[in-house]
Amino acid sequence: AQSVSQHNHHVILSEAASLELGCNYSYGGTVNLFWYVQYPGQHLQLLLKYFSGDPLVKGIKGFEAEFIKSKFSFNLRKPSVQWSDTAEYFCAVNARRDYKLSFGAGTTVTVRA
Amino acid sequence: SQTIHQWPATLVQPVGSPLSLECTVEGTSNPNLYWYRQAAGRGLQLLFYSVGIGQISSEVPQNLSASRPQDRQFILSSKKLLLSDSGFYLCAWSVRDVLAGGTSSYNEQFFGPGTRLTVL
Repeated sequence: AQSVSQHNHHVILSEAASLELGCNYSYGGTVNLFWYVQYPGQHLQLLLKYFSGDPLVKGIKGFEAEFIKSKFSFNLRKPSVQWSDTAEYFCAVNARRDYKLSFGAGTTVTVRA
Repeated sequence: SQTIHQWPATLVQPVGSPLSLECTVEGTSNPNLYWYRQAAGRGLQLLFYSVGIGQISSEVPQNLSASRPQDRQFILSSKKLLLSDSGFYLCAWSVRDVLAGGTSSYNEQFFGPGTRLTVL
């Protein structure tokens, strides 16, 4: 079974600062990788995903993530955050063709205006 | 487009009372369906998943059960709630790829708005 760890529980930063959230997983086989975001009072929604191909994937709202297979990592980045990026961010992993999607504990990001 | 509904949005129940949370999906057929519980600081824990009507798999032993009486309806139940059942419950769906043996190669999941359950 795969496990997912997110390095930061809570990140506080100012608008225009850069953001990087770490995510590592443990599974030796082929995986699908996801970042989900939950804005206050809203559904959990997909931010971006990686299945195969270019390890640098771009998602909505200026977010991107890089899959580094040798490090079992899938870190999320945004060069310049906005107040509206305040949310909880979840990294998720599943083995190819597996029903189970394993989530990290989540990182709460607070952006101060 | 596909949409997923959950109700109620919030629920306060006494210990020992029964529970029924409902999830329905529109705009797709034969989805895989999932129930998760979200606890603060602990991410999402998969409780149940279903690949078809009447087919339920449980991920963790607990005081809850699930049923799928119709293709796009998934119900989470309990006969007697415990304090520890409090939490935020999320329903999700994904594409079922019959040719691939029941799950899409990618298993991208789409989540409902959730139900906040408080057991007193």
